[in-house]
Amino acid sequence: GPKVLQIPSHQIIDMGQMVTLNCDPVSNHLYFYWYKQILGQQMEFLVNFYNGKVMEKSKLFKDQFSVERPDGSYFTLKIQPTALEDSAVYFCASSLDSQAPLFGEGTRLSVL
Amino acid sequence: QQQVRQSPQSLTVWEGETAILNCSYEDSTFDYFPWYHQFPGESPALLIAIRPVSNKKEDGRFTIFFNKREKKFSLHIADSQPGDSATYFCAAKDSNTNKVVFGTGTRLQVLP
Repeated sequence: GPKVLQIPSHQIIDMGQMVTLNCDPVSNHLYFYWYKQILGQQMEFLVNFYNGKVMEKSKLFKDQFSVERPDGSYFTLKIQPTALEDSAVYFCASSLDSQAPLFGEGTRLSVL
Repeated sequence: QQQVRQSPQSLTVWEGETAILNCSYEDSTFDYFPWYHQFPGESPALLIAIRPVSNKKEDGRFTIFFNKREKKFSLHIADSQPGDSATYFCAAKDSNTNKVVFGTGTRLQVLP
């Protein structure tokens, strides 16, 4: 079946560095999402994206965060600069309208 | 801030019993209610979903009961199996922004 691909699966960086998490959504999906999950706890909504624009972002989506999908390529989440509390698993998801998002396998981000 | 409340936080049942997981919400802009399960180290996977036009949705051993007036919905897992042991998340999608908000999760353990 269709899959959302996330690259890399694990990223280790030093605090203060920039990191870009990449997501390849399902090809015909229109809505894209990023979620943050710490230690298997709650799935926390960060942001959703449609037609080249952010639709809504949560309080967790700090000023250091940004998203884009240039020319239909990867949907990316950039964090610059990173902080220790950014360590988590970040899940990308995509969907058609009126459907439940399909999730990727996640990127585990470790900020040292 | 939009939220979905979920209970119990953890639930243990014997094999063959019915597990009941509960969720509630307040926002009337929510129009789609999926349930996901998540195994350790994996991403959330869609189980079953319902729209408020229905008060019940069945798929095999999984049934959603939906009470629009009280803004409550529940997942019943009939004939629970040890392989059902996982964390279950209810969620709700906002009709205006397509934002999908997750509940806090229920950790289900099915004992043989």
